Amino acid sequence: GAVVSQHPSWVICKSGTSVKIECRSLDFQATTMFWYRQFPKQSLMLMATSNEGSKATYEQGVEKDKFLINHASLTLSTLTVTSAHPEDSSFYICSGQLARDTQYFGPGTRLTVL
Amino acid sequence: GENVEQHPSTLSVQEGDSAVIKCTYSDSASNYFPWYKQELGKRPQLIIDIRSNVGEKKDQRIAVTLNKTAKHFSLHITETQPEDSAVYFCAALNTGTASKLTFGTGTRLQVTL
Repeated sequence: GAVVSQHPSWVICKSGTSVKIECRSLDFQATTMFWYRQFPKQSLMLMATSNEGSKATYEQGVEKDKFLINHASLTLSTLTVTSAHPEDSSFYICSGQLARDTQYFGPGTRLTVL
Repeated sequence: GENVEQHPSTLSVQEGDSAVIKCTYSDSASNYFPWYKQELGKRPQLIIDIRSNVGEKKDQRIAVTLNKTAKHFSLHITETQPEDSAVYFCAALNTGTASKLTFGTGTRLQVTL
């Protein structure tokens, strides 16, 4: 299957700082990538849909100014959590869309905000 | 929008027994139903999927059934093994209008010896 990587795999930061997470499709071009957030013992919640060369589409309740998404190439999307706070601590997972109904997930990034 | 419900939230079975997880969806236009297995701290991995033109699909010890009329689909795992222990998520998608997967709430499966 197709491979999606994420970097970093985990990050610890101080409250108020910004954190950037990268999502790369290694062996396919992903016009569309998705960003999810998963709190402990909960399901994956879609945050936004990232389309190459255009603005991301955010789900209701997700602050676009806080979670900045950039999809500048067909193999890279980035999520920047700005002014992170402890409540932003979560497991962030991206996925790359290969076909209309096929998504390949990255390994996730565990963010801990102190 | 689509709403997917999943039951049970936790399931404990003895090794060798079968496990069944059920999901219902609300949007009759949904036509693609994948199942994911997620181990602690890892990415969700697709284990089986089914499309709306098929009623059942099997892959070794794993099978999925779909009832479009009732809008529910189920995951069946036979001859369970300890390595089947994980959280399982169902999902639904309407490939015609959107690519957004709607996930169920997850089922924590524990296979005991």
